[in-house]
Amino acid sequence: KAGVTQTPRYLIKTRGQQVTLSCSPISGHRSVSWYQQTPGQGLQFLFEYFSETQRNKGNFPGRFSGRQFSNSRSEMNVSTLELGDSALYLCASSVDQETQYFGPGTRLLVL
Amino acid sequence: DQQVKQNSPSLSVQEGRISILNCDYTNSMFDYFLWYKKYPAEGPTFLISISSIKDKNEDGRFTVFLNKSAKHLSLHIVPSQPGDSAVYFCAASATGNQFYFGTGTSLTVIP
Repeated sequence: KAGVTQTPRYLIKTRGQQVTLSCSPISGHRSVSWYQQTPGQGLQFLFEYFSETQRNKGNFPGRFSGRQFSNSRSEMNVSTLELGDSALYLCASSVDQETQYFGPGTRLLVL
Repeated sequence: DQQVKQNSPSLSVQEGRISILNCDYTNSMFDYFLWYKKYPAEGPTFLISISSIKDKNEDGRFTVFLNKSAKHLSLHIVPSQPGDSAVYFCAASATGNQFYFGTGTSLTVIP
């Protein structure tokens, strides 16, 4: 089976812009979770989608949003980018909240 | 509030010896635990998991131990190999909820 794919792999944006990241889960996986990784902070949970519904949400501001499509692909959107949003954004898929399998991540740099 | 903690940011071990990575958690509702390995510029790779009904799970060179009374889990790698050099994350969840990750321990295996 193909693994989790994320696009784009790298992105450079400026403050105030918005960005959309994409994640394609492993075939058959219906749960998709998003994480932000910054140095020294580990992986911070953003949100989880299951069958097109947001099932869990972390403590991030409303500028961070997501959605999931009927084919389980998911997108994450960040509006009004801030310098502190520079991070590695990871997507993980699972059958249903079991072991999560991660994609390679999207590295976002906000200038 | 960091519910999962890895108090050792780094660990160095000689090749062939045992590596022991530790993880503590605060939430007694956590019932599923995982370890991931992460190389730079890649997403985390699943290593091994354990549910709260067990106190040990073994997979090849990797063994995870769970001490529920102490809210502590550890990952043992025996024998350690240079290719094991990476950042290791532990993660925990309560059924139906999000995963919480530690901040990671960087393991260096010295040839």
